[in-house]
Amino acid sequence: ILNVEQSPQSLHVQEGDSTNFTCSFPSSNFYALHWYRWETAKSPEALFVMTLNGDEKKKGRISATLNTKEGYSYLYIKGSQPEDSATYLCACSPTTSGTYKYIFGTGTRLKVLA
Amino acid sequence: GEEVAQTPKHLVRGEGQKAKLYCAPIKGHSYVFWYQQVLKNEFKFLISFQNENVFDETGMPKERFSAKCLPNSPCSLEIQATKLEDSAVYFCASSYTTSEQYFGPGTRLTVT
Repeated sequence: ILNVEQSPQSLHVQEGDSTNFTCSFPSSNFYALHWYRWETAKSPEALFVMTLNGDEKKKGRISATLNTKEGYSYLYIKGSQPEDSATYLCACSPTTSGTYKYIFGTGTRLKVLA
Repeated sequence: GEEVAQTPKHLVRGEGQKAKLYCAPIKGHSYVFWYQQVLKNEFKFLISFQNENVFDETGMPKERFSAKCLPNSPCSLEIQATKLEDSAVYFCASSYTTSEQYFGPGTRLTVT
């Protein structure tokens, strides 16, 4: 069974602060790691998908790294803005053949204070 | 359409009643996934389809839950005889390949 953990569960930062969260997963049975940004009552929005060890992806002020050997990914937000307030979800796709389901972490709830 | 559409947004059912949720995937996407989020816990996989065929149903409760994806119709998730613990947000996602999944806004089911 693939277990995905995210930390911290919630986070309050001041506008302009930089912040980062962690997603950890078993390094065996790994195919891809996905990050989503989600606001309640809206559709989760895809941020990144990463598959290779050492992958780094960037989208504006948000970036992510992947370490498949030790089983973790970091999401970084530089210069947080109030509009970054959301829950950030990570999900793994396992390599088990015949399935492409995601295994989700419980998310990190970010609140950026103006 | 360009977005995954889910209806209704909210659904309230008395315990023991039936609940039916609908999902219209993005046009051209052949994979559909259903996830359940209870309270503020993680999204839990229920079932996936490749076109109208069940692809993976390992997450589906054996009793009371069923799902279909028929040609030219929205996909559906049906819960017979709902229980209090079925209260959750049900998300549908679709994908073109086996990679990135695009999510709908979810249907909030409240069982009273």
